[in-house]
Amino acid sequence: NAGVTQTPKFQVLKTGQSMTLQCAQDMNHEYMSWYRQDPGMGLRLIHYSVGAGITDQGEVPNGYNVSRSTTEDFPLRLLSAAPSQTSVYFCASSYAGGSYEQYFGPGTRLTVT
Amino acid sequence: DAKTTQPPSMDCAEGRAANLPCNHSTISGNEYVYWYRQIHSQGPQYIIHGLKNNETNEMASLIITEDRKSSTLILPHATLRDTAVYYCIVRVDQGGSEKLVFGKGTKLTVNP
Repeated sequence: NAGVTQTPKFQVLKTGQSMTLQCAQDMNHEYMSWYRQDPGMGLRLIHYSVGAGITDQGEVPNGYNVSRSTTEDFPLRLLSAAPSQTSVYFCASSYAGGSYEQYFGPGTRLTVT
Repeated sequence: DAKTTQPPSMDCAEGRAANLPCNHSTISGNEYVYWYRQIHSQGPQYIIHGLKNNETNEMASLIITEDRKSSTLILPHATLRDTAVYYCIVRVDQGGSEKLVFGKGTKLTVNP
């Protein structure tokens, strides 16, 4: 299993540009989520999904959209990038319900100039 | 906000046990305590979790007090590769959601 994969690893955007961060998992996990991590801080939840076709907002959803058309993929869209969105983005997945561990991807380092 | 309190940093000698404390005084009866670590900006890595009883796996041991208001993660023989930020997390139980609320964690430095 590849686990949780994220692309790209690095990205530089100009203010106002849009882009999609990709996340995929091959473990048949129902639950997937996106976090952002700013320097010296813990991770903050952006959006999450408990299954295909179901998404919900986390702690910091503004400026981001998500969709979940398949179990495997959970892309994160930046609609109009702002410097405040400069961060490292992590995707995670797990089985839903119970007390399952979450598996995290390697992260995407995004800089908005 | 995170429901846990951890010291910002700790040091440990290589080969010694590392004991990382965590306070979670407002934990609810059905909320689990999870520990993750993050090595040098990599994705967080699951270590262990527990509800009431002490737990042990190949990586660490988790000791939860009887009143469940605090816990300790024990790395029995710390190595240099254990240098990382360790997060103690109380899983927010909201209708089956698997949300994890991260605080700032404890930066553990293992010294040779």
